Amino acid sequence: QVQLQESGPGLVRPWGTLSLTCAVSGDSFSSSSWWSWVRQSPGKGLEWIGEIFHSGNTNYNPSLETRVAMSIDTSKSQFSLKLSSVTAADTAVYYCARYSYGTGGYRFDSWGQGTLVTVSS
Amino acid sequence: DIVMTQTPLSLSVTPGESASISCRSSQSLLDGNAGYTYLDWYLQKPGQSPQLLIYTLSFRASGVPDRFSGSGSGTYFTLKISRVEAEDVGIYYCMQRIKFPLTFGGGTKVEIK
Repeated sequence: QVQLQESGPGLVRPWGTLSLTCAVSGDSFSSSSWWSWVRQSPGKGLEWIGEIFHSGNTNYNPSLETRVAMSIDTSKSQFSLKLSSVTAADTAVYYCARYSYGTGGYRFDSWGQGTLVTVSS
Repeated sequence: DIVMTQTPLSLSVTPGESASISCRSSQSLLDGNAGYTYLDWYLQKPGQSPQLLIYTLSFRASGVPDRFSGSGSGTYFTLKISRVEAEDVGIYYCMQRIKFPLTFGGGTKVEIK
C-alpha cells in the first residue's frame, strides 16, 4: 500500500520560499502516476497546486505558475514543491497526493497526512 | 477555470436516513471521446486528509461501502449516501479533472443529528 509523508519547515517568512518534500513508499515512480500537491487554507476548501511525472514533466495551476517549481528524485522516492515570494495568503495545510491511473481514468487515491505551513514574520 | 458549486453548504442527517449532495460545474465534464465524465467525490473526515469515494462519476473507490453512489451528467451531479452512519461525518468535496487546473467544489459539511 502506498504511503506519502510531507516534510518541511512549518514557518516561512513573508517573501521567502516555501519548500516541502513528499516521501513515497510502496509505489514505483516508473508507474503511470502523477505526483501532486494540493493545499487547504485555514477554514477553506481545496486548491490544486500542480503535479509532476517521473520524467519531470509538470503541470501547474496558472494562478500559482509564476511562483511554483516542482521536482522529483526517483532514486530517493520523493518529490518536492517550492513556492516563492510567499505571503500570508499562502498559509495552508499542504498535502501531497498520488494521482494514479486505472479503469475510468486518473484519481487522487492516496494522500499524505498534510503539513501546516504558516507564513509569518 | 471550471467553477464547481456544491449545495447545500451543510447537512444534518439522522442515522439510517439518506442524504444527497449536489455539485454543478460551469462546463460539461463529459469527455466525448472516452465516454467518461470526469467528476470525483472526496470525503475529508475531521482532522484527516481527503479520501477518495467516487471517481469518474460513478466508480466507487476500493473499500468504499456501496451506500455511496454517484450519478449525474454533463454539468449536474449528485452524491447519494444511503443509510447514513456516524462514520460518514465530514466535509464532502466534488472535483473536476477534465481540464487544468483541477478544481474542487467548496464542500458540503455533513453532520449527524
